[in-house]
Amino acid sequence: AQTVTQSQPEMSVQEAETVTLSCTYDTSESDYYLFWYKQPPSRQMILVIRQEAYKQQNATENRFSVNFQKAAKSFSLKISDSQLGDAAMYFCAYRSAGGNEKLTFGTGTRLTIIP
Amino acid sequence: NAGVTQTPKFRVLKTGQSMTLLCAQDMNHEYMYWYRQDPGMGLRLIHYSVGEGTTAKGEVPDGYNVSRLKKQNFLLGLESAAPSQTSVYFCASSYGRIGNQPQHFGDGTRLSIL
Repeated sequence: AQTVTQSQPEMSVQEAETVTLSCTYDTSESDYYLFWYKQPPSRQMILVIRQEAYKQQNATENRFSVNFQKAAKSFSLKISDSQLGDAAMYFCAYRSAGGNEKLTFGTGTRLTIIP
Repeated sequence: NAGVTQTPKFRVLKTGQSMTLLCAQDMNHEYMYWYRQDPGMGLRLIHYSVGEGTTAKGEVPDGYNVSRLKKQNFLLGLESAAPSQTSVYFCASSYGRIGNQPQHFGDGTRLSIL
């Protein structure tokens, strides 16, 4: 079974600085998707960025980028120029490219932005 | 455009009571999902549907039933509520499979079972 591990329960960063959130996963599959979701205090889950395992190029969405290391099974999220609105829980998630619709989540990292 | 709407937002039940959570989406999405989120954990998939009239079990389906009689609605039922079902429940929808298409989430329903 696939597992997703987020080893940082909490992180903080000064406004305008850069922060990296860690995620590792365990799978025997070669084709899959990886995601970072943001959950602000309003509770609604928002997709931040996604990565397809067969693509070597790291995904980027504005200030958000990932460092995808397939061999190491690592998928970290870098937030540049941190803003107060980035404060939230961040969840890493995995989905197999085949099979069912199961999305496996990590336990989350709470990100605090220091003004 | 309301997106994904969950009803109700909060509910307190007594053990053994039944209730239905409603999820409605106005985006003409084929896929719909029900998740639960417990403290210190990510979301876990309860049931999902890949189209009107279809349902499938997810990771934690026991104690729940679902129905997708209309494309825009996905109902989650608890026939006999148990304290272990105290959680925050999220509904989500998407045009296609997760990864191929983004999921849109509702705001959640906080359910407490006494």
